[in-house]
Amino acid sequence: EIVLTQSPGTLSLSPGERATLSCRASQSVSSTYLAWYQQKPGQAPSLLIYASSTRATGIPDRFTGSGSGTDFTLTISRLEPEDFAVYYCQQYDSSPQTFGQGTKVEIK
Amino acid sequence: EVQLVESGGGLVQPGGSLRLSCAASGFIFSDHYMDWVRQAPGKGLEWVGRSGNKANSYTTDYAASVKGRFTISRDNSKNSLYLQMNSLKIEDTAVYYCATRETLGRPFPNWGQGTMVTVSS
Repeated sequence: EIVLTQSPGTLSLSPGERATLSCRASQSVSSTYLAWYQQKPGQAPSLLIYASSTRATGIPDRFTGSGSGTDFTLTISRLEPEDFAVYYCQQYDSSPQTFGQGTKVEIK
Repeated sequence: EVQLVESGGGLVQPGGSLRLSCAASGFIFSDHYMDWVRQAPGKGLEWVGRSGNKANSYTTDYAASVKGRFTISRDNSKNSLYLQMNSLKIEDTAVYYCATRETLGRPFPNWGQGTMVTVSS
């Protein structure tokens, strides 16, 4: 099973600042099969990025995914108030598909 | 518009059983993979299992933590997915989401709102 480790656990930032979230895999993941989700309190997760760097429908371009192999990054260029949430990475390269433990982006 | 609506959650004692349902609309149900993903209170996401699509003969697969206790089935005539949960443990307490994707090797663009399962004596 591929273990995904996200860091940091919590990111305290102000609106307008840049957020950089990391997702490290225990073994290589094809960049085709790495996704990022956003989850707000009381809501289901929502797909942000798939295939490592492709934005899902309707996702603004301030969200950028990058990386390859075992190291992947989600960057939010300028935080908007609605971006404060928990973010999860997911690999769907091998079974069982797995999720990282999440990074919470909170208002400083 | 894709819609997924889960139901059937509730309070159950350890060792008990519960059956969750997921009603789907807005897409060709038989052509899609359907998965269950759960989230324990205050915790992250855990994939539970999936049903393949028609091309895949609706093959099922499960996480090791639920294999032998949980069974996924689907009724394509009712556009519905089910999760039969037996021998429930306290650690099965979670919000259970159904999610859909076109095939393996794809993420989950669509999720239901979730249904809460609490296993407690």
